[in-house]
Amino acid sequence: NAGVMQNPRHLVRRRGQEARLRCSPMKGHSHVYWYRQLPEEGLKFMVYLQKENIIDESGMPKERFSAEFPKEGPSILRIQQVVRGDSAAYFCASSQMGTGRETQYFGPGTRLLVL
Amino acid sequence: GQQVMQIPQYQHVQEGEDFTTYCNSSTTLSNIQWYKQRPGGHPVFLIQLVKSGEVKKQKRLTFQFGEAKKNSSLHITATQTTDVGTYYCAGLGGTSYGKLTFGQGTILTVHP
Repeated sequence: NAGVMQNPRHLVRRRGQEARLRCSPMKGHSHVYWYRQLPEEGLKFMVYLQKENIIDESGMPKERFSAEFPKEGPSILRIQQVVRGDSAAYFCASSQMGTGRETQYFGPGTRLLVL
Repeated sequence: GQQVMQIPQYQHVQEGEDFTTYCNSSTTLSNIQWYKQRPGGHPVFLIQLVKSGEVKKQKRLTFQFGEAKKNSSLHITATQTTDVGTYYCAGLGGTSYGKLTFGQGTILTVHP
């Protein structure tokens, strides 16, 4: 019974490059959430997605960041033209439903380092 | 917007001592979840509290949800070195499905 899977676990990019982070939710889960954890800080909500729908993107920066959760395949968090301030751990979580009471289970995270 | 404050930021205890972290929300929550994160790890779900005044226990851990559903606490009895990590509360507001608002976390260090 695999948990939430994220890849890559570590990603190094130079300024101006693109970063693509992938998240496969737990089996049977159709709701995905992305959170960002800056060094020495807590977790901040970025975006909540269902299959083919963005439910809440109130925590996403307006520029350079986008997220999708296609009908088939993993959820993707895409960061274009990365800057040093994007260096952080990006965690994906999933839940079975979206009632607002569902437990969110977190993946191992992707540690992004921008040089 | 909704804010969740958590105190203390750091707590150092001797093994065997008790530990408590407190969480306060600026708005009424539909539920609150607690997570533990080890250094270099990811948040691991501990428990969810839904009802006003709810108290739940997991071995040495006791979780409480306030009557007004705006505050919560986690108490660990007789800490062990395996309890080391950062403990986060995370609140779900009434109108923000899925959007967990995390407290800043309490970093627990246990000295043997």
